[in-house]
Amino acid sequence: DTGVSQDPRHKITKRGQNVTFRCDPISEHNRLYWYRQTLGQGPEFLTYFQNEAQLEKSRLLSDRFSAERPKGSFSTLEIQRTEQGDSAMYLCASSFWTGVYNEQFFGPGTRLTVL
Amino acid sequence: GENVEQHPSTLSVQEGDSAVIKCTYSDSASNYFPWYKQELGKRPQLIIDIRSNVGEKKDQRIAVTLNKTAKHFSLHITETQPEDSAVYFCAASIGGDNTGFQKLVFGTGTRLLVSP
Repeated sequence: DTGVSQDPRHKITKRGQNVTFRCDPISEHNRLYWYRQTLGQGPEFLTYFQNEAQLEKSRLLSDRFSAERPKGSFSTLEIQRTEQGDSAMYLCASSFWTGVYNEQFFGPGTRLTVL
Repeated sequence: GENVEQHPSTLSVQEGDSAVIKCTYSDSASNYFPWYKQELGKRPQLIIDIRSNVGEKKDQRIAVTLNKTAKHFSLHITETQPEDSAVYFCAASIGGDNTGFQKLVFGTGTRLLVSP
Protein backbone atom coordinates (compact mmCIF):
# COMPACT_ATOMS: atom_id res chain seq x y z
CA ASP A 1 0.00 0.00 0.00
CA THR A 2 1.57 3.28 -1.11
CA GLY A 3 -0.90 5.53 0.71
CA VAL A 4 -0.45 7.46 3.95
CA SER A 5 -0.14 5.14 6.93
CA GLN A 6 -0.49 5.83 10.64
CA ASP A 7 0.44 3.84 13.68
CA PRO A 8 -1.12 2.87 15.99
CA ARG A 9 -4.70 2.85 14.73
CA HIS A 10 -6.08 2.91 18.25
CA LYS A 11 -4.60 4.04 21.54
CA ILE A 12 -6.18 3.89 24.97
CA THR A 13 -4.30 5.60 27.75
CA LYS A 14 -4.82 6.91 31.21
CA ARG A 15 -4.94 10.60 31.97
CA GLY A 16 -1.48 11.98 32.61
CA GLN A 17 0.36 9.50 30.40
CA ASN A 18 2.38 10.45 27.33
CA VAL A 19 1.52 9.08 23.91
CA THR A 20 3.27 9.20 20.54
CA PHE A 21 1.78 8.64 17.11
CA ARG A 22 3.58 8.03 13.86
CA CYS A 23 2.68 9.03 10.31
CA ASP A 24 4.33 7.76 7.14
CA PRO A 25 3.38 9.97 4.19
CA ILE A 26 3.34 9.07 0.53
CA SER A 27 7.02 8.79 -0.31
CA GLU A 28 7.45 11.68 -2.76
CA HIS A 29 5.27 14.11 -0.80
CA ASN A 30 7.09 17.06 0.71
CA ARG A 31 4.26 18.38 2.87
CA LEU A 32 2.82 16.62 5.89
CA TYR A 33 -0.13 17.82 7.96
CA TRP A 34 -1.60 16.82 11.30
CA TYR A 35 -5.31 17.30 12.04
CA ARG A 36 -7.57 16.44 14.93
CA GLN A 37 -11.15 15.30 14.37
CA THR A 38 -13.76 14.94 17.07
CA LEU A 39 -17.11 13.24 16.63
CA GLY A 40 -19.42 15.14 14.33
CA GLN A 41 -16.83 17.72 13.36
CA GLY A 42 -14.54 18.32 10.43
CA PRO A 43 -10.79 17.89 10.73
CA GLU A 44 -9.10 20.76 12.60
CA PHE A 45 -5.64 21.81 11.52
CA LEU A 46 -2.89 21.30 14.09
CA THR A 47 0.42 21.76 12.28
CA TYR A 48 2.24 21.12 9.04
CA PHE A 49 5.72 20.48 7.72
CA GLN A 50 7.42 21.21 4.47
CA ASN A 51 10.19 18.65 4.32
CA GLU A 52 11.62 18.75 7.86
CA ALA A 53 10.60 22.33 8.64
CA GLN A 54 7.54 22.91 10.79
CA LEU A 55 5.95 25.94 9.12
CA GLU A 56 2.79 26.53 11.09
CA LYS A 57 1.22 25.52 14.37
CA SER A 58 -2.39 26.08 15.35
CA ARG A 59 -3.21 27.68 18.65
CA LEU A 60 -5.00 24.38 19.32
CA LEU A 61 -1.56 22.87 19.72
CA SER A 62 -0.82 23.49 23.38
CA ASP A 63 2.60 23.17 24.92
CA ARG A 64 1.81 19.54 25.68
CA PHE A 65 1.82 18.75 21.97
CA SER A 66 4.96 18.44 19.92
CA ALA A 67 5.49 17.25 16.38
CA GLU A 68 8.64 16.37 14.50
CA ARG A 69 9.62 15.31 11.03
CA PRO A 70 13.34 14.79 11.51
CA LYS A 71 14.40 13.65 8.07
CA GLY A 72 11.56 15.02 6.05
CA SER A 73 9.94 11.63 5.76
CA PHE A 74 7.87 10.18 8.62
CA SER A 75 6.50 12.38 11.39
CA THR A 76 5.65 11.86 15.03
CA LEU A 77 3.09 13.64 17.16
CA GLU A 78 3.60 13.43 20.91
CA ILE A 79 1.08 14.43 23.55
CA GLN A 80 2.43 14.79 27.05
CA ARG A 81 0.34 14.54 30.21
CA THR A 82 -2.78 13.55 28.29
CA GLU A 83 -6.15 14.94 29.32
CA GLN A 84 -9.61 13.57 28.64
CA GLY A 85 -10.19 16.44 26.23
CA ASP A 86 -7.41 15.07 24.04
CA SER A 87 -9.61 12.12 23.09
CA ALA A 88 -10.12 12.39 19.34
CA MET A 89 -9.09 10.97 15.99
CA TYR A 90 -5.67 12.26 14.95
CA LEU A 91 -5.35 12.38 11.19
CA CYS A 92 -2.22 12.80 9.14
CA ALA A 93 -2.23 13.95 5.54
CA SER A 94 0.43 14.54 2.93
CA SER A 95 0.69 16.42 -0.33
CA PHE A 96 3.20 17.32 -2.99
CA TRP A 97 3.60 21.07 -2.82
CA THR A 98 4.59 22.71 -6.10
CA GLY A 99 3.68 26.28 -5.21
CA VAL A 100 -0.05 25.75 -5.59
CA TYR A 101 -2.46 23.68 -3.60
CA ASN A 102 -2.71 20.03 -4.47
CA GLU A 103 -4.74 17.23 -3.00
CA GLN A 104 -4.06 16.27 0.57
CA PHE A 105 -4.18 12.50 1.00
CA PHE A 106 -5.30 11.41 4.42
CA GLY A 107 -4.17 8.48 6.48
CA PRO A 108 -6.57 6.19 8.36
CA GLY A 109 -6.05 8.09 11.62
CA THR A 110 -5.14 7.17 15.17
CA ARG A 111 -8.08 7.11 17.54
CA LEU A 112 -7.00 8.23 21.01
CA THR A 113 -9.09 7.52 24.07
CA VAL A 114 -7.96 9.06 27.34
CA LEU A 115 -9.55 7.47 30.39
CA GLY B 1 -11.45 35.03 11.43
CA GLU B 2 -10.99 31.82 9.51
CA ASN B 3 -14.32 30.11 9.19
CA VAL B 4 -16.14 27.74 6.86
CA GLU B 5 -19.85 27.24 7.39
CA GLN B 6 -21.57 24.22 5.88
CA HIS B 7 -25.27 23.47 5.42
CA PRO B 8 -27.28 21.39 5.87
CA SER B 9 -25.91 19.24 8.66
CA THR B 10 -28.02 16.30 7.50
CA LEU B 11 -29.63 15.58 4.16
CA SER B 12 -31.93 12.70 3.30
CA VAL B 13 -32.84 11.99 -0.31
CA GLN B 14 -34.35 9.19 -2.32
CA GLU B 15 -32.17 7.23 -4.70
CA GLY B 16 -32.03 9.04 -8.03
CA ASP B 17 -32.67 12.47 -6.56
CA SER B 18 -30.12 15.28 -6.54
CA ALA B 19 -28.33 16.53 -3.44
CA VAL B 20 -26.84 19.96 -2.87
CA ILE B 21 -24.52 20.96 -0.03
CA LYS B 22 -23.51 24.57 0.47
CA CYS B 23 -20.53 26.23 2.12
CA THR B 24 -19.46 29.78 2.80
CA TYR B 25 -15.98 30.96 3.70
CA SER B 26 -14.57 34.08 5.28
CA ASP B 27 -11.03 34.54 3.93
CA SER B 28 -11.07 36.45 0.65
CA ALA B 29 -7.58 35.09 -0.11
CA SER B 30 -8.87 31.49 -0.18
CA ASN B 31 -8.21 30.02 -3.61
CA TYR B 32 -8.58 26.27 -3.27
CA PHE B 33 -11.79 24.47 -2.28
CA PRO B 34 -11.78 20.68 -1.94
CA TRP B 35 -14.64 18.40 -1.00
CA TYR B 36 -14.02 15.23 0.98
CA LYS B 37 -16.23 12.18 1.52
CA GLN B 38 -15.82 10.28 4.76
CA GLU B 39 -17.52 6.95 5.32
CA LEU B 40 -17.99 5.70 8.84
CA GLY B 41 -14.68 4.75 10.41
CA LYS B 42 -12.70 5.58 7.29
CA ARG B 43 -10.34 8.31 6.18
CA PRO B 44 -11.55 11.43 4.34
CA GLN B 45 -11.19 11.02 0.58
CA LEU B 46 -11.13 13.82 -1.95
CA ILE B 47 -14.01 13.63 -4.40
CA ILE B 48 -13.60 16.93 -6.24
CA ASP B 49 -11.84 20.25 -5.86
CA ILE B 50 -11.97 23.65 -7.50
CA ARG B 51 -9.60 26.60 -7.72
CA SER B 52 -10.59 30.23 -7.60
CA ASN B 53 -9.95 30.84 -11.29
CA VAL B 54 -12.74 28.43 -12.22
CA GLY B 55 -16.46 28.90 -11.60
CA GLU B 56 -17.59 25.33 -12.05
CA LYS B 57 -16.11 21.86 -12.32
CA LYS B 58 -17.82 18.58 -13.08
CA ASP B 59 -16.81 14.96 -12.74
CA GLN B 60 -19.51 12.49 -13.80
CA ARG B 61 -22.34 12.81 -11.24
CA ILE B 62 -20.50 15.32 -9.08
CA ALA B 63 -20.12 19.04 -9.69
CA VAL B 64 -18.84 21.98 -7.68
CA THR B 65 -19.68 25.63 -8.23
CA LEU B 66 -17.85 28.62 -6.82
CA ASN B 67 -19.01 32.20 -6.38
CA LYS B 68 -15.99 34.18 -5.23
CA THR B 69 -17.89 37.43 -4.88
CA ALA B 70 -20.35 35.91 -2.44
CA LYS B 71 -17.74 33.54 -0.95
CA HIS B 72 -20.01 30.58 -1.58
CA PHE B 73 -19.27 27.17 -3.03
CA SER B 74 -21.55 24.19 -3.44
CA LEU B 75 -21.41 20.46 -4.12
CA HIS B 76 -24.01 18.97 -6.41
CA ILE B 77 -24.56 15.22 -6.65
CA THR B 78 -26.99 14.03 -9.31
CA GLU B 79 -28.67 10.63 -9.64
CA THR B 80 -27.75 9.77 -6.06
CA GLN B 81 -27.09 6.14 -5.13
CA PRO B 82 -27.12 4.42 -1.73
CA GLU B 83 -23.32 4.20 -1.85
CA ASP B 84 -23.19 8.01 -1.86
CA SER B 85 -24.33 7.86 1.78
CA ALA B 86 -21.51 9.32 3.89
CA VAL B 87 -20.42 12.53 5.59
CA TYR B 88 -19.23 15.21 3.19
CA PHE B 89 -16.84 17.97 4.23
CA CYS B 90 -16.06 21.15 2.36
CA ALA B 91 -12.81 23.00 2.98
CA ALA B 92 -11.15 26.24 2.00
CA SER B 93 -7.50 27.16 1.82
CA ILE B 94 -6.37 29.89 4.14
CA GLY B 95 -3.58 32.25 3.27
CA GLY B 96 -3.20 31.97 -0.50
CA ASP B 97 -0.44 30.47 -2.60
CA ASN B 98 2.10 33.22 -2.13
CA THR B 99 2.07 33.48 1.62
CA GLY B 100 3.91 31.44 4.14
CA PHE B 101 0.75 30.61 6.06
CA GLN B 102 -1.31 27.97 4.34
CA LYS B 103 -3.70 25.35 5.58
CA LEU B 104 -7.20 23.99 4.98
CA VAL B 105 -10.14 24.92 7.16
CA PHE B 106 -12.97 22.39 7.08
CA GLY B 107 -16.70 22.78 7.43
CA THR B 108 -18.61 20.84 10.06
CA GLY B 109 -19.83 18.21 7.63
CA THR B 110 -23.09 17.09 6.03
CA ARG B 111 -24.41 13.63 6.68
CA LEU B 112 -26.01 12.45 3.43
CA LEU B 113 -28.40 9.52 3.54
CA VAL B 114 -29.61 8.09 0.24
CA SER B 115 -32.54 5.74 0.66
CA PRO B 116 -33.21 3.01 -1.91
